[in-house]
Amino acid sequence: GAGVSQSPSNKVTEKGKDVELRCDPISGHTALYWYRQSLGQGLEFLIYFQGNSAPDKSGLPSDRFSAERTGGSVSTLTIQRTQQEDSAVYLCASSLDIRNYNEQFFGPGTRLTVL
Amino acid sequence: GNSVTQMEGPVTLSEEAFLTINCTYTATGYPSLFWYVQYPGEGLQLLLKATKADDKGSNKGFEATYRKETTSFHLEKGSVQVSDSAVYFCALSEAGGTSYGKLTFGQGTILTVHP
Repeated sequence: GAGVSQSPSNKVTEKGKDVELRCDPISGHTALYWYRQSLGQGLEFLIYFQGNSAPDKSGLPSDRFSAERTGGSVSTLTIQRTQQEDSAVYLCASSLDIRNYNEQFFGPGTRLTVL
Repeated sequence: GNSVTQMEGPVTLSEEAFLTINCTYTATGYPSLFWYVQYPGEGLQLLLKATKADDKGSNKGFEATYRKETTSFHLEKGSVQVSDSAVYFCALSEAGGTSYGKLTFGQGTILTVHP
């Protein structure tokens, strides 16, 4: 597709369940970024990948959060044992490469609701 | 750490009114500065950017000038339209370190333009 795609668009889950969020970057983009948008915290940076490597994971809110990227394309963000405070819109962005970080293109987001 | 402060909204204007949304930042180095816009039901889109002091970013009639001496990047438009109704985010990023390309966002300003 032409833009960044994310799935699912909406996810409702029960507290304590695990969820997987998927991001498909623009074809040819080697850098990929995850952000979270919530009412209380605004827009927060979570993690970025250059290729399959994530040099800094300190932005992930807790050890229940993990992210991986294989094949230099699709990335998954996994939240284990979800809590109500994890409810937010999770945004993915990509750029041509990390040197072009100024040109990040965002996907539509996944709205996660933890009941 | 880096931070962005933007004027609180919501901002309500009549069509053809002049718009200013204030944005100031704190950064340790020499950041790039951005305005992103989120239209209702859509994802984040880059509106304009400036990568060094005194640069002016412009797009769709919007302008913002990178002012290092006042650490500001205020968004302006001479004559707003109903279609400009959206949420506007000021953001910065710094190259280098392990959080390469991390965007730090302001809280967002809701703009509503009435006919």
